[in-house]
Amino acid sequence: GIQVEQSPPDLILQEGANSTLRCNFSDSVNNLQWFHQNPWGQLINLFYIPSGTKQNGRLSATTVATERYSLLYISSSQTTDSGVYFCAGVEDQAGTALIFGKGTTLSVSS
Amino acid sequence: NAGVTQTPKFRILKIGQSMTLQCAQDMNHNYMYWYRQDPGMGLKLIYYSVGAGITDKGEVPNGYNVSRSTTEDFPLRLELAAPSQTSVYFCASSRGTGGADTQYFGPGTRLTVL
Repeated sequence: GIQVEQSPPDLILQEGANSTLRCNFSDSVNNLQWFHQNPWGQLINLFYIPSGTKQNGRLSATTVATERYSLLYISSSQTTDSGVYFCAGVEDQAGTALIFGKGTTLSVSS
Repeated sequence: NAGVTQTPKFRILKIGQSMTLQCAQDMNHNYMYWYRQDPGMGLKLIYYSVGAGITDKGEVPNGYNVSRSTTEDFPLRLELAAPSQTSVYFCASSRGTGGADTQYFGPGTRLTVL
């Protein structure tokens, strides 16, 4: 079936720590994207990353499509990084709608 | 640009009532989407549209209807509200198909059905 699975489900960090979030996806899922949902509920697209590596400031993401996983790295975490991180992909290459994982809830304390 | 806007932000309905959730975008995007997010879960697609006059069902369309008369607007209609429709509803838009382009999300509408 179509699956997008994220780990860990919850993560608690001290400010300044680094973390890695993982997303495993099934064969029929493509075109991975990462989102951050802040504590107020707003969803922000972080990366569109069907393959390879991208970086944006303290965040970077890597997708190894052949092995069906993607990683989101957060370095020097800040309290503003708190929230839920979702990965999502589409079914098949021509898919329109995103299929979301259940998310990783990150709490960063000062 | 305001991006994607949604109204209302909060709403409480009684069982059996109807309402329309409004969504508008000012980015001239062809693709628009409605998702629902239940507590502790990711988002699930309700309906989507690839352009004015064209809509299609997503994963969880039952109990909802949509229309797309203009590029900018994509309202979601709830008929005969049920407690199972208690959720947070997000509207999103993208220039190209959602799988190959960035989706931009509205702030959400928190709906409670009692």
